[in-house]
Amino acid sequence: NAGVTQTPKFRILKIGQSMTLQCTQDMNHNYMYWYRQDPGMGLKLIYYSVGAGITDKGEVPNGYNVSRSTTEDFPLRLELAAPSQTSVYFCASRTSAEETQYFGPGTRLLVL
Amino acid sequence: QKEVEQNSGPLSVPEGAIASLNCTYSDRGSQSFFWYRQYSGKSPELIMSIYSNGDKEDGRFTAQLNKASQYVSLLIRDSQPSDSATYLCAVKMDSSYKLIFGSGTRLLVRP
Repeated sequence: NAGVTQTPKFRILKIGQSMTLQCTQDMNHNYMYWYRQDPGMGLKLIYYSVGAGITDKGEVPNGYNVSRSTTEDFPLRLELAAPSQTSVYFCASRTSAEETQYFGPGTRLLVL
Repeated sequence: QKEVEQNSGPLSVPEGAIASLNCTYSDRGSQSFFWYRQYSGKSPELIMSIYSNGDKEDGRFTAQLNKASQYVSLLIRDSQPSDSATYLCAVKMDSSYKLIFGSGTRLLVRP
């Protein structure tokens, strides 16, 4: 199993550009999460999903969108990139029976 | 008031000492508590979970929970330089799908 994979590893965006951060898990986990981590800070929840077709907002959803068309994939969309979205983005997943979240390697995003 | 609070550190201890990391939380409905370790530039990894009052031991790690005081701690015995990392405390309410993370405590173990 590859676990949770994220692409790209690093990206530089110009203000106003859009992009999609990809997240895929091969563990058949129902629950998936997107977090952002600013320097020296903890993780802030952006969006989460409890299954295909079901998504909900976390603490900091503004400026982002998600979709969950399959169990495996949970992409995060930035429509109009802003410098405040410069951060490291982590995707995580877990089963409905176990509370341990498994994290992907992260995507470092720089908006200039 | 922050929901999950941790001292940012750094907490510096000599090799072989006991490192004590602390976390307080504000929501009395919280039922599940987790400690994640995060090396610089890497993703968080779970090292301990605790659900009931008291101590839970796993190797050199001991998690302690006191729900009445809304306090959870992590003790690392015989600290090693490889334990140098940021330790994130996370809390979950029983009815929630979400984890609330603290901002983390940076631990430095001096050889």
